[in-house]
Amino acid sequence: QVQLQESGPGLVKPSETLSLTCTVSGGSISGSYWSWIRQPPGKGLEWIGYIYYSGNTAYNPSLKSRVTISVDTSKNQYSLRLSSVTAADTAVYYCARGGWSFDFWGRGTLVTVSS
Amino acid sequence: EIVLTQSPATLSLSPGERATLSCGASQSIRSSYLAWYQQKPGLAPRLLIYDASSRATGIPDRFSGSGSGTDFTLTISRLEPEDFAVYYCQQYGNSPPTTFGGGTKVEIK
Repeated sequence: QVQLQESGPGLVKPSETLSLTCTVSGGSISGSYWSWIRQPPGKGLEWIGYIYYSGNTAYNPSLKSRVTISVDTSKNQYSLRLSSVTAADTAVYYCARGGWSFDFWGRGTLVTVSS
Repeated sequence: EIVLTQSPATLSLSPGERATLSCGASQSIRSSYLAWYQQKPGLAPRLLIYDASSRATGIPDRFSGSGSGTDFTLTISRLEPEDFAVYYCQQYGNSPPTTFGGGTKVEIK
């Protein structure tokens, strides 16, 4: 059974860069697409972007100028960087397997943007 | 970008009743690439249905999906206590970006 676990700071200051890592266990990161999805408190889901294990990426146009997703196959991890954050970026951030539908999800990590 | 509208926003039903949730798209979704997720408080979403009508692994057969084009439905034939949750539809036929609906909360009446 594939398991995903997000890790990273829970508090980020405005204008700084949010950085999260997703560690995949129970299976290889190779051969699949991997996404980041976020959910502001009490609100719906927003897809941020995906990466293929080979490094190909696609991003939500609404965030594209601020997002970078990278992969480290040797560590079975992939990462998210979101620059110039504001309070509107406060959300639970999920990593999930898939580039279209998402069959395995991490538990999510709350990232708060505040000074 | 395709906008998905879910209705109703809240559905109040009793255990054992049938639940019908709707998801409407602002334009036709290619190849019925639509999924449904269940989310309980504090937990990640769980994939229920993909490609509009295919059940994900381990999902009970009381959950079924149907529809095509711009109109899709998730049906729960007989509500169990553990089915009370928020449900989201998601389209991936016209992506990126994939988009989600705003959710339907199924609550105990």
